[in-house]
Amino acid sequence: DAKTTQPTSMDCAEGRAANLPCNHSTISGNEYVYWYRQIHSQGPQYIIHGLKNNETNEMASLIITEDRKSSTLILPHATLRDTAVYYCIVRLYNNAGNMLTFGGGTRLMVKP
Amino acid sequence: DTGVSQNPRHKITKRGQNVTFRCDPISEHNRLYWYRQTLGQGPEFLTYFQNEAQLEKSRLLSDRFSAERPKGSFSTLEIQRTEQGDSAMYLCASTRRGQDYEQYFGPGTRLTVT
Repeated sequence: DAKTTQPTSMDCAEGRAANLPCNHSTISGNEYVYWYRQIHSQGPQYIIHGLKNNETNEMASLIITEDRKSSTLILPHATLRDTAVYYCIVRLYNNAGNMLTFGGGTRLMVKP
Repeated sequence: DTGVSQNPRHKITKRGQNVTFRCDPISEHNRLYWYRQTLGQGPEFLTYFQNEAQLEKSRLLSDRFSAERPKGSFSTLEIQRTEQGDSAMYLCASTRRGQDYEQYFGPGTRLTVT
C-alpha cells in the first residue's frame, strides 16, 4: 500500500468548508484513495473513496489531482459534529479483502 | 441496519489471564475484520473472515491471539496469557458482499491489562 502524509491537525470554523489534504505520491495506478473518520470514543466511519475521478456523496467531496499524487477531502459546511480524526488511506481494491492501513490521520477541530 | 455490536465494551484483566471478545456484524454482511488501536494511533489490521473462513491471519500479533467465526455470523477474538502491552481498543468491522470498500465499525472493546 502506498504511504500517505497528512497534517497532524487542522482547525475550521463552523459553517465553513473544511479542506483536508493528503499526499500519496507513490500511489500506483490501481490503488484507490479512501477516507474514514473517527469521532472520539467511536469506531471509524467510512466517508468516501475514489480512483481518479472526483467523487461526491452526502457527506463529502473527494478531489484527486490529475497525477493522483494528492487528494483533498472537502466537508462543504463543517459542523461541530465533524470534529474527528480523518484518515486518508491508499489501497488496492480487489476481491481479496480490504485490509486497511490507517496512519496517524488529521485531527480536525471545528470551532464555533 | 442495527449496526455492528461488540461485547464487552470494557474489560479489565490481570496479566496472564485469558480474555475473549465478541463481535456481532450487521446481518448478512459476509466479511468481518478485526483491528487493534492503541492510544493516539490509527487502527491496525489483525485478521479477517469471509463467512466462516479466516482468509488472512498473518497479522495477528502473536500466537497468543486467535479468532473464530464458526457459523459465519458472530466472531470471537481471544487473547491468551495477556500482557500489559495488549492493552488497547479492539475494533471489529463488517462489510456487505461486493461493497468491501465500506467497512462498518463497531464501538470497540477497550482492554486494560493490569
